[in-house]
Amino acid sequence: KAGVTQTPRYLIKTRGQQVTLSCSPISGHRSVSWYQQTPGQGLQFLFEYFSETQRNKGNFPGRFSGRQFSNSRSEMNVSTLELGDSALYLCASSLTPTSSYNSPLHFGNGTRLTVT
Amino acid sequence: GENVEQHPSTLSVQEGDSAVIKCTYSDSASNYFPWYKQELGKGPQLIIDIRSNVGEKKDQRIAVTLNKTAKHFSLHITETQPEDSAVYFCAASSGTYKYIFGTGTRLKVLA
Repeated sequence: KAGVTQTPRYLIKTRGQQVTLSCSPISGHRSVSWYQQTPGQGLQFLFEYFSETQRNKGNFPGRFSGRQFSNSRSEMNVSTLELGDSALYLCASSLTPTSSYNSPLHFGNGTRLTVT
Repeated sequence: GENVEQHPSTLSVQEGDSAVIKCTYSDSASNYFPWYKQELGKGPQLIIDIRSNVGEKKDQRIAVTLNKTAKHFSLHITETQPEDSAVYFCAASSGTYKYIFGTGTRLKVLA
């Protein structure tokens, strides 16, 4: 069974631009969560989607948004990029929403975003 | 707020020795504790997990122990090998919408 696939692997953007990251979950997994990983802050929860609905959102500004499609694939968008948005963005999928049961998270290899 | 403390931040061991990483959580409602291994250039990979109704779980050279009273859980790796070198993260979840991750331990296994 294929794992979680994230594209692209690397992105370089300029301040003020916007970016869209893509995530394909493990087949059969309907929940997708997004995390930001930085050396200083560690793994920070962005949001979770299940059945095309955002279930929960972390403490990030409204510039960070996402969506999920009917095939469970998810996209994350960051508008008006800032230097501090440089990070590894990780997508994780699970069978059920983390809010309903502690279903293990399976991570992709991430998208490394660099904002210059 | 909810917090998971992880120690040590770096750990160097000789090949063949054991390694122990410890985590402490603050939310008494936490009932699921996974451990992840992250290699360079890759995402975190689930290596073992434990639920609050179990005190210990073992999978070959890896074991996890849980002390609910003290709110501690630990990862034990025996007979370490160079390929065990990576960053290890603990996490705690209470069935709410997110996992709380520790800050990571960089394990170096010296040949």
